[in-house]
Amino acid sequence: DGGITQSPKYLFRKEGQNVTLSCEQNLNHDAMYWYRQDPGQGLRLIYYSQIVNDFQKGDIAEGYSVSREKKESFPLTVTSAQKNPTAFYLCASTLQGGTRRTGELFFGEGSRLTVL
Amino acid sequence: DQQVKQNSPSLSVQEGRISILNCDYTNSMFDYFLWYKKYPAEGPTFLISISSIKDKNEDGRFTVFLNKSAKHLSLHIVPSQPGDSAVYFCAASLYGGATNKLIFGTGTLLAVQP
Repeated sequence: DGGITQSPKYLFRKEGQNVTLSCEQNLNHDAMYWYRQDPGQGLRLIYYSQIVNDFQKGDIAEGYSVSREKKESFPLTVTSAQKNPTAFYLCASTLQGGTRRTGELFFGEGSRLTVL
Repeated sequence: DQQVKQNSPSLSVQEGRISILNCDYTNSMFDYFLWYKKYPAEGPTFLISISSIKDKNEDGRFTVFLNKSAKHLSLHIVPSQPGDSAVYFCAASLYGGATNKLIFGTGTLLAVQP
């Protein structure tokens, strides 16, 4: 079945440690996104990538880094520079390009990061 | 600055009645609006969308209404079912080239009572 797989589902990190969240999709989607969800704040965009080897900062990119070496994969690294990393992280993807407009993002099941 | 606002953090409705979830936006350049449904510890799933050239879109029990002059959209669920209990996010999109970037509201928790 096609879909988006995020791992791990739960992750604990000590302060000062970097951690990488995995996101893999087999939907042949061009664009991939990372969002963060905090209580009462909705979903905020961290980074997005429209094509391989290219990515753009979202609204809250500080303290995060990404790579897009393969179309299927868009890992997110939460660095020690992120001041408040405890959150629920969501990866998403969509078809896009040219004048085609889907509007719809497909989300993974999320990864909950807790900093101890 | 919150460009997409859902002012009701929660809503409780009896099974079989209508649920109305509201969303306001500030940017008149938004041209596409979507509703997502989210269960705890899961990713959101797409529910229904509407283009700014329309004022209504219906899909089964779900209808989205758009009032561009008021910069307001609403999601109607009728009849409401206990399985509809979830957090509902509205989202808006600016179409700029190939970028499909959504801006989400803060969500409304819907509880449908049996």
